[in-house]
Amino acid sequence: AQSVTQLGSHVSVSEGALVLLRCNYSSSVPPYLFWYVQYPNQGLQLLLKYTSAATLVKGINGFEAEFKKSETSFHLTKPSAHMSDAAEYFCAVKNAGNMLTFGGGTRLMVKP
Amino acid sequence: DGGITQSPKYLFRKEGQNVTLSCEQNLNHDAMYWYRQDPGQGLRLIYYSQIVNDFQKGDIAEGYSVSREKKESFPLTVTSAQKNPTAFYLCASSIGDRDRPGYTFGSGTRLTVV
Repeated sequence: AQSVTQLGSHVSVSEGALVLLRCNYSSSVPPYLFWYVQYPNQGLQLLLKYTSAATLVKGINGFEAEFKKSETSFHLTKPSAHMSDAAEYFCAVKNAGNMLTFGGGTRLMVKP
Repeated sequence: DGGITQSPKYLFRKEGQNVTLSCEQNLNHDAMYWYRQDPGQGLRLIYYSQIVNDFQKGDIAEGYSVSREKKESFPLTVTSAQKNPTAFYLCASSIGDRDRPGYTFGSGTRLTVV
């Protein structure tokens, strides 16, 4: 089964700084990849997904992710962090039976 | 608007009691899932169902039970056999089409043992 690894369980940035959340996948075939965001005491919300149409994927709230096959990565970025971006972010990959396997999550903290 | 509804938002259980968490979707999705979330442990799959009247155990099914009698509904029962049930529970659904992957999540139920 394919898996994803999120490097860094906690990331802290200053407001206005670049956000970079890392996700690496293990797959021998082109994967379907996802980023979800979870605000406290809420469910997960889809930020963006890669389905092999384009390597640079734009999502909601100014986030984007680039699929890099050579690096087996799908890192999430945002040019300028906002206080409202503070949340937990999950990377996921589609496996057999259309099921998703999630990474361990990265908590993003934004300092004023 | 279509979506997934989990109820209640907060639930308190006494030791030795069974409790049932509700999950209803009106998205016409074939597949439904239950996850448990503990601080710092990500999402752990409890049970999933890809079609009505069929369901499969996930990674941590012990102490839990489910049913899938209707496409729209996938209730989770936390039994007294679950020794540490305090957690945040998330329900999700998916369309079941391999070319349209991805889950829609409910807003969660926080279960606390008192």
